[in-house]
Amino acid sequence: GENVEQHPSTLSVQEGDSAVIKCTYSDSASNYFPWYKQELGKRPQLIIDIRSNVGEKKDQRIAVTLNKTAKHFSLHITETQPEDSAVYFCAALRPTGRRALTFGSGTRLQVQP
Amino acid sequence: NAGVTQTPKFQVLKTGQSMTLQCAQDMNHNSMYWYRQDPGMGLRLIYYSASEGTTDKGEVPNGYNVSRLNKREFSLRLESAAPSQTSVYFCASSEAGLAGNEQFFGPGTRLTVL
Repeated sequence: GENVEQHPSTLSVQEGDSAVIKCTYSDSASNYFPWYKQELGKRPQLIIDIRSNVGEKKDQRIAVTLNKTAKHFSLHITETQPEDSAVYFCAALRPTGRRALTFGSGTRLQVQP
Repeated sequence: NAGVTQTPKFQVLKTGQSMTLQCAQDMNHNSMYWYRQDPGMGLRLIYYSASEGTTDKGEVPNGYNVSRLNKREFSLRLESAAPSQTSVYFCASSEAGLAGNEQFFGPGTRLTVL
């Protein structure tokens, strides 16, 4: 089955700096890669996703890049703000077999004011 | 639209007790999922239902059963609760599709087994 590894497990940055979270996946057939943000005590919510036919996607201060050859994808947050503090999860989806997301273990991002 | 709803929000059980976690969605989604979330381990899939009438095991199905009652509802049952099942349980739903679609999560159920 699919295996998703996520690094780092914790990340602390100063407000205004950039943050980068990286994930690798094991199944080359996976074709959908979402990122979820989970604030303390809340449910995970999708912030951005990318499909395997696209190398990069951007939405305001958030961007995701995908390298299919190396089987890794990354989340980039620029101009970080205190409200970006949360746990971020990456995930991967295979088009066949178990049709459910496999999640990484999460990154706790803390933005220091 | 309420989205994905779960009941109860909190539950405390004694070892060996049984209970059912309820989940419903009003987005007409075909696929529904149950995850558990433990500290430092992300979200692990317990069971999922790709469409009404079908259910499949995920990564950690032992000790659980599910029922896809209809298109809207997907319940998770613990027949004999164990302390190892202390966790936060999330239900989610999404549109089916080979290309992948956003999963919408419920608010979660915090379960403690003593």
